[in-house]
Amino acid sequence: AQTVTQSQPEMSVQEAETVTLSCTYDTSENNYYLFWYKQPPSRQMILVIRQEAYKQQNATENRFSVNFQKAAKSFSLKISDSQLGDTAMYFCAFMKQANSKLTFGKGITLSVRP
Amino acid sequence: KAGVTQTPRYLIKTRGQQVTLSCSPISGHRSVSWYQQTPGQGLQFLFEYFSETQRNKGNFPGRFSGRQFSNSRSEMNVSTLELGDSALYLCASSLDTGGTEAFFGQGTRLTVV
Repeated sequence: AQTVTQSQPEMSVQEAETVTLSCTYDTSENNYYLFWYKQPPSRQMILVIRQEAYKQQNATENRFSVNFQKAAKSFSLKISDSQLGDTAMYFCAFMKQANSKLTFGKGITLSVRP
Repeated sequence: KAGVTQTPRYLIKTRGQQVTLSCSPISGHRSVSWYQQTPGQGLQFLFEYFSETQRNKGNFPGRFSGRQFSNSRSEMNVSTLELGDSALYLCASSLDTGGTEAFFGQGTRLTVV
């Protein structure tokens, strides 16, 4: 069974600064996908970024990038130039290949201060 | 393109009753998954339907069931409601199964009293 661990329950960052959210996972699978989802107060889960395990290159999406360390089973999210709209809960999630089931971490509440 | 639509948004039910929640996926998406979100347990996978067949099931009692129709719309049913079933129920739709992006609805907030 897969597990996803987000050990920081809360973080706070000043607007325009950079913040890194941590995530570790455990799996015996070799092929899988990792995701970061954002859940603002509106409750809608929004995909932030996706990483295929077979790709060595770290995924980036505008101000969002990941540091994927497959051997260490670590998958952290870096948010650059933080904006007030980034305030939300962030969930790290794991998906086996050819399987739609997402296994989520407990989430981290990120607050961006003006 | 319309997103994932979940109805109703809010629901209050009494212990012992049953409830049916609905999810309309994005047009063309064939996979629908359901998740339960609670403060204590976080997000937990309930089940996934693909082309009207249940492909995956989470670790929930048999009181939780679901189905998918030929137009990919899905329903989940919870019978004999318990207080602990109070949660946000999220539906996610995907074009296909495995690895493709899951798009979530805004959820149904179920309160059992």
